[in-house]
Amino acid sequence: EVQLVESGGGLIHPGGSLRLSCAASGFTFSSYSMKWVRQAPGKGLEWVSYISSSGISIYYADSVKGRFTISRDNAKNSLYLQMNSLRVEDTAVYFCARDNRWDLDHWGQGTLVTVSS
Amino acid sequence: EIVLTQSPATLFLFPGERATLSCRASQSISTYLAWYQQKPGQAPRLLIHDASTRAADIPARFSGSGSGTDFTLTISSLEPEDFAVYYCQQGSNWPLCSFGQGTKLEIK
Repeated sequence: EVQLVESGGGLIHPGGSLRLSCAASGFTFSSYSMKWVRQAPGKGLEWVSYISSSGISIYYADSVKGRFTISRDNAKNSLYLQMNSLRVEDTAVYFCARDNRWDLDHWGQGTLVTVSS
Repeated sequence: EIVLTQSPATLFLFPGERATLSCRASQSISTYLAWYQQKPGQAPRLLIHDASTRAADIPARFSGSGSGTDFTLTISSLEPEDFAVYYCQQGSNWPLCSFGQGTKLEIK
């Protein structure tokens, strides 16, 4: 069974940093590209970042470019999102999802990041 | 940037009725469209990919259609567990992607 489990969320002040993790199991992690998607409270879904299976190809949404860094460790079956210079508008539940090319076929349960003074 | 517009924003129906949800793309996306269901406090669940193919374990009452810019998700006969928020997502400019703003399906 495919499982994705996020961790690392919490309350952080504006300008602070946080690192999210996503532990994958039940599939060959190194064969799949991955994405981070976020959802602000009461709002819709927003794609945040993409990383290829090897980690070589990386993309970001304009809203986080230059502040967030996606990475992965295939030996540890783990995906990461380093978030720096956090803003109030980054407050959201952050989901990791398995990228199935045109769609996202498995999602984690999400981790809440709250940016507030 | 490819923008997806979903309609209606909210749909009120009785259990047993047929639901028709719409998703329109700002430019042609062929059939690179997926539909997701999200219940409160849960992650989205993939329902339909490639515009019309049901994902694994998705009941046959869910169906998708369309190509180009206009897409439809149909639920043939609503079950109580189907009342949720539904999102469309395009993969035409993969590896980037974008989502519609969602349609909330509510019990009448």
